[in-house]
Amino acid sequence: EPEVTQTPSHQVTQMGQEVILRCVPISNHLYFYWYRQILGQKVEFLVSFYNNEISEKSEIFDDQFSVERPDGSNFTLKIRSTKLEDSAMYFCASCWDGTGELFFGEGSRLTVL
Amino acid sequence: KQEVTQIPAALSVPEGENLVLNCSFTDSAIYNLQWFRQDPGKGLTSLLLIQSSQREQTSGRLNASLDKSSGRSTLYIAASQPGDSATYLCAVRTSGSRLTFGEGTQLTVNP
Repeated sequence: EPEVTQTPSHQVTQMGQEVILRCVPISNHLYFYWYRQILGQKVEFLVSFYNNEISEKSEIFDDQFSVERPDGSNFTLKIRSTKLEDSAMYFCASCWDGTGELFFGEGSRLTVL
Repeated sequence: KQEVTQIPAALSVPEGENLVLNCSFTDSAIYNLQWFRQDPGKGLTSLLLIQSSQREQTSGRLNASLDKSSGRSTLYIAASQPGDSATYLCAVRTSGSRLTFGEGTQLTVNP
């Protein structure tokens, strides 16, 4: 069964370092998303991406964050200069259309020291 | 701004019991509602998607209902099993493409 895959599963970094989280969405899906979940808190929307551009972003997604689809299969989230409060589980998701069922990956746990 | 609330926060039941998880949302102008399962430290597994025009959806022992006008959805789990133990999340899509999630209900099914 097709699935969303994410790497790395866990990354530990020092505050101020750049981090890139990678995702391979389901192959025929057109909409891609990043969500995050701080430990013990709700899952929060970060950004949606369609047709090689951001279609929506939340107030969390500031200038420190960027997304890219560098080729036909990968979808990345970059955090330019990590802060302690960026420590969270980051989930990638994809969807065939903009209003259907979302499928999530297993997540990338980011720990900022 | 859409707010999603799930009750109860935690639930512990003996194996074999039927149970209901509740989800409420403040803005009834939704496109759809999706129920997920999350195991500790893991990703989100989609269980059911209900479109705004639908009243319910069924998958195996799971049945989800939607009452859009009152801003409520329920997830019914029949004949619960220890393997059903997980956190169940409700999420609604209102405008645009984002999902708004509830806090989840942590379910424990005891053998």
